[in-house]
Amino acid sequence: GDSVTQTEGQVALSEEDFLTIHCNYSASGYPTLFWYVQYPGEGPQLLFRASRDKEKGSSRGFEATYDKGTTSFHLRKASVQESDSAVYYCALSDMNTEGADRLTFGKGTQLIIQP
Amino acid sequence: NSKVIQTPRYLVKGQGQKAKMRCIPEKGHPVVFWYQQNKNNEFKFLINFQNQEVLQQIDMTEKRFSAECPSNSPCSLEIQSSEAGDSALYLCASSWDRYYAEQFFGPGTRLTVL
Repeated sequence: GDSVTQTEGQVALSEEDFLTIHCNYSASGYPTLFWYVQYPGEGPQLLFRASRDKEKGSSRGFEATYDKGTTSFHLRKASVQESDSAVYYCALSDMNTEGADRLTFGKGTQLIIQP
Repeated sequence: NSKVIQTPRYLVKGQGQKAKMRCIPEKGHPVVFWYQQNKNNEFKFLINFQNQEVLQQIDMTEKRFSAECPSNSPCSLEIQSSEAGDSALYLCASSWDRYYAEQFFGPGTRLTVL
């Protein structure tokens, strides 16, 4: 079945550092890819999504580019802030599979920004 | 900010007890999803609806879980006989379209089964 593998565990950075969270996917079809962010006590919120090869999604200074060749959708931000501390999830939905409407999530990456 | 409302936010039950949680989707959204998020942050799809009709559900929900989305009432997810392994965050999401639209998540109901 479809799967998403992302940077595991925690990423600890200082303010203004550059962020990369890796995301690779495995899907039988041509999936739509998502980045979600979850703050404590809240449900996941969509950061952005991309549906086509080389499409770039972006929001709040975060960005990721859909790369079908390397099956990747890495999340990057040039300068992180303390308020970016949260858990980040890469996810996909795959139109070519049963259950195409549901999201398949990675295991999440906790981002900790030290002031 | 999410406009999907989930109640209660916290639910504590003993093993074998019923556990019921509710979800009011965002206004105008006909599609509702339920996911389970365990303590390891792993998500599992449980069931989804379009209007009042079940679209898909996994085997787990066919046995001890029941869910409905009646017209003009909150959607609900009920576990008939809770087990320790059911302890998790139950997330409801809604969308205006089954396939192409963003899923908006509520804050979840955290179920603890003692």
